[in-house]
Amino acid sequence: DSGVTQTPKHLITATGQRVTLRCSPRSGDLSVYWYQQSLDQGLQFLIQYYNGEERAKGNILERFSAQQFPDLHSELNLSSLELGDSALYFCASSGRDRGTPDTQYFGPGTRLTVL
Amino acid sequence: GQSLEQPSEVTAVEGAIVQINCTYQTSGFYGLSWYQQHDGGAPTFLSYNALDGLEETGRFSSFLSRSDSYGYLLLQELQMKDSASYFCAVRNYGQNFVFGPGTRLSVLP
Repeated sequence: DSGVTQTPKHLITATGQRVTLRCSPRSGDLSVYWYQQSLDQGLQFLIQYYNGEERAKGNILERFSAQQFPDLHSELNLSSLELGDSALYFCASSGRDRGTPDTQYFGPGTRLTVL
Repeated sequence: GQSLEQPSEVTAVEGAIVQINCTYQTSGFYGLSWYQQHDGGAPTFLSYNALDGLEETGRFSSFLSRSDSYGYLLLQELQMKDSASYFCAVRNYGQNFVFGPGTRLSVLP
């Protein structure tokens, strides 16, 4: 158990809809990362937040947005969903272990299916 | 841009040693990380090289050579449970994390 929690575990929705994925980082971690992993694909970095502020932005679509709240949990909002958005979405956190700031701890993921 | 390359598949037998290579093209990065992911599971951290050279963690070792734009993960005394996908990753100077496409390791009895 990495200590990172994600909800929901599974999400099935229709094209055009909007969903929100939630992530709680490990206790003490200030950084939260979001990744997308399509079937048999690698991990695509979407966005990173550090202590409530956006730190880095990767290949995140304009239809997607994220935020990190004062209690450090984060939400990823996906809107105008398309079939191609079906994927596993992982959240990861880091930062508590000062000696290895790049070590990320991944949550179990949210499997999104867009029908 | 930045890209990392890995072999798509590697097969080895139980008890053997296997090396998974990672070559990269990136203008600059802080260090090379390795993650393991079992089917249906989340990636888990294995090893990190901030500097050139070898880092050893139990049965797993990782190597980095910045001058050769190359790194590898070495798995010794392979076990069936090591069958998984392995990803190399870097954090570039733009603070973005870039993951390689992953190498699927199959360990045969």
